[in-house]
Amino acid sequence: DQQVKQNSPSLSVQEGRISILNCDYTNSMFDYFLWYKKYPAEGPTFLISISSIKDKNEDGRFTVFLNKSAKHLSLHIVPSQPGDSAVYFCAASGLSTRGSQGNLIFGKGTKLSVKP
Amino acid sequence: DSGVTQTPKHLITATGQRVTLRCSPRSGDLSVYWYQQSLDQGLQFLIQYYNGEERAKGNILERFSAQQFPDLHSELNLSSLELGDSALYFCASSGIPGQTFYGYTFGSGTRLTVV
Repeated sequence: DQQVKQNSPSLSVQEGRISILNCDYTNSMFDYFLWYKKYPAEGPTFLISISSIKDKNEDGRFTVFLNKSAKHLSLHIVPSQPGDSAVYFCAASGLSTRGSQGNLIFGKGTKLSVKP
Repeated sequence: DSGVTQTPKHLITATGQRVTLRCSPRSGDLSVYWYQQSLDQGLQFLIQYYNGEERAKGNILERFSAQQFPDLHSELNLSSLELGDSALYFCASSGIPGQTFYGYTFGSGTRLTVV
């Protein structure tokens, strides 16, 4: 049972355009959502997060939007740069996960390619 | 350098063998988490320790075990290895368990190949 789903395994975008990465979740008890970026041969790096009481959080070129009614969040990167090419993981946390399933539940990731 | 150190970076071993993966958390972090990433899979939570005590358990196989030592470093022991255990194993650390808004800090992982 996958509680956090990233349905697009890959995304290709032109440099300077917007990249939109999507994530769906099933557990309405999640209270924090996070995005991680992972380069090859490196561990995931925390990018940005959002609390369930917010619908938007912005940090420079990165904005995360949360639609609780749709159980959907998205990461917008504007403008996209070739250095943004990486795998992006969506993750979620909630009181119900802070037990046998641990604190963070991850999606399978979306590989973003930004072409010059 | 994230501050979380994992050794070794690569490990090749035969089926049936036992290996130990090591993790040193970021300075000051008391929580250590182990995750497994198999091919085309997301990060699967295995186990969490906080200040030496087991805090949470995920889908960790009985053949796998872990511990956190007084100096806060952690070891993940994998025994009776099977081909399907080949994966990337990540260790992460954080200061306060449950304070996930700022995320965990991950190490660069250990790539285990079972042949």
